[in-house]
Amino acid sequence: QVQLQESGPGLVKPSQTLSLTCTVSGGSISSGSYYWSWIRQPAGKGLEWIGRIYTSGSTNYNPSLKSRVTISVDTSKNQFSLKLSSVTAADTAVYYCAREDIAVNWFDPWGQGTLVTVSS
Amino acid sequence: QSALTQPASVSGSPGQSITISCTGTSSDVGGYNYVSWYQQHPGKAPKLMIYEVSNRPSGVSNRFSGSKSGNTASLTISGLQAEDEADYYCSSYTSSSTYVVFGGGTKLTVL
Repeated sequence: QVQLQESGPGLVKPSQTLSLTCTVSGGSISSGSYYWSWIRQPAGKGLEWIGRIYTSGSTNYNPSLKSRVTISVDTSKNQFSLKLSSVTAADTAVYYCAREDIAVNWFDPWGQGTLVTVSS
Repeated sequence: QSALTQPASVSGSPGQSITISCTGTSSDVGGYNYVSWYQQHPGKAPKLMIYEVSNRPSGVSNRFSGSKSGNTASLTISGLQAEDEADYYCSSYTSSSTYVVFGGGTKLTVL
């Protein structure tokens, strides 16, 4: 079955850019039925949708983060990536990648999540 | 502040039933049947439990059920078991510019 795995630095300095990659296995990221999404969760808090990308490269972003977020896809590697610029301590969170159904917007499966800490 | 409102906590004894509510607006929960529910155990990724208001993915126990009335969706867990103790989140499509909204989460304690 499809599995997702996040990777990237666990520590980022304030004002720098957070970069994460999600590798998809067991299925093709080029499937036309899904978006590929990023979601984050600060410690002890709820889930926040960051944004998503379609295999064509079309993106949607959470307006609260839109000015700082870029999501891209590399179909040859079956990966999609997240870049979040000008990070602050408020961006410290567990970052998840997930597959999102295009038609009815459920998220499944999810990656295991990766903790990114913003600190000098 | 989350776009969808959930109670912070609920509790129940083994064997009992509990219901978790998820209240939104006509732009999300009330306007579309695209509500999903997720279970999250500590340190783990969320797991899809219900989609399209009331559908269960393969492998999810039939003790979990979902419904909707107006702007409020509900998750009911019957025959509570210790393993059900977790955080639960609702999510919905929204016609607003945010596209997707989550609830703030509900901590379920099995007494």
